[in-house]
Amino acid sequence: EAAVTQSPRSKVAVTGGKVTLSCHQTNNHDYMYWYRQDTGHGLRLIHYSYVADSTEKGDIPDGYKASRPSQENFSLILELASLSQTAVYFCASRPGLGEDTQYFGPGTRLLVL
Amino acid sequence: SQLAEENSWALSVHEGESVTVNCSYKTSITALQWYRQKSGKGPAQLILIRSNEREKRNGRLRATLDTSSQSSSLSITATRCEDTAVYFCATDPGNYKYVFGAGTRLKVIA
Repeated sequence: EAAVTQSPRSKVAVTGGKVTLSCHQTNNHDYMYWYRQDTGHGLRLIHYSYVADSTEKGDIPDGYKASRPSQENFSLILELASLSQTAVYFCASRPGLGEDTQYFGPGTRLLVL
Repeated sequence: SQLAEENSWALSVHEGESVTVNCSYKTSITALQWYRQKSGKGPAQLILIRSNEREKRNGRLRATLDTSSQSSSLSITATRCEDTAVYFCATDPGNYKYVFGAGTRLKVIA
């Protein structure tokens, strides 16, 4: 079973502050993803990466940066947190080309005040 | 507008009954996945069905795909209380940037 962990599991941030969400996977997967989920809605793709030291924009990248310093780690950075970024954030990993199963972490609940 | 969406917001059934969740999508896809998300957890994939497949089974779960009508269904037979969750469809337009629907909330009543 693929293992994806996220930290912190929950966070309260102030508007205008910097927030870093971390994701770690132990299965040497190539692809990693960051999604946000708003109450009552599906997941929306923020950023993704298919190789270390490279990131790609997803469907809603504005206000977010991503960093993939190694195969195992993928961070999501909110440089200037805003109220609208209150959501649950999920990280996922996927083995690689031809392997379509995504393995999700438990999520980080972010509240921006 | 959503590129993938389930057709019901919420469903409830009694334990032992069967239930079907439907999904429609608006773009050409290479694959469609069904996920289940239990309260406070991340989504977990249930079934992946590729565009050249019409049906896929996984135990009590059966997914169908109709590319001509751009729709899919997920059926669960002999439901159990632990099937209570939100069920999502997610489509892959071929670039591995999955598009998720808003989900159908299923409650199985004992």
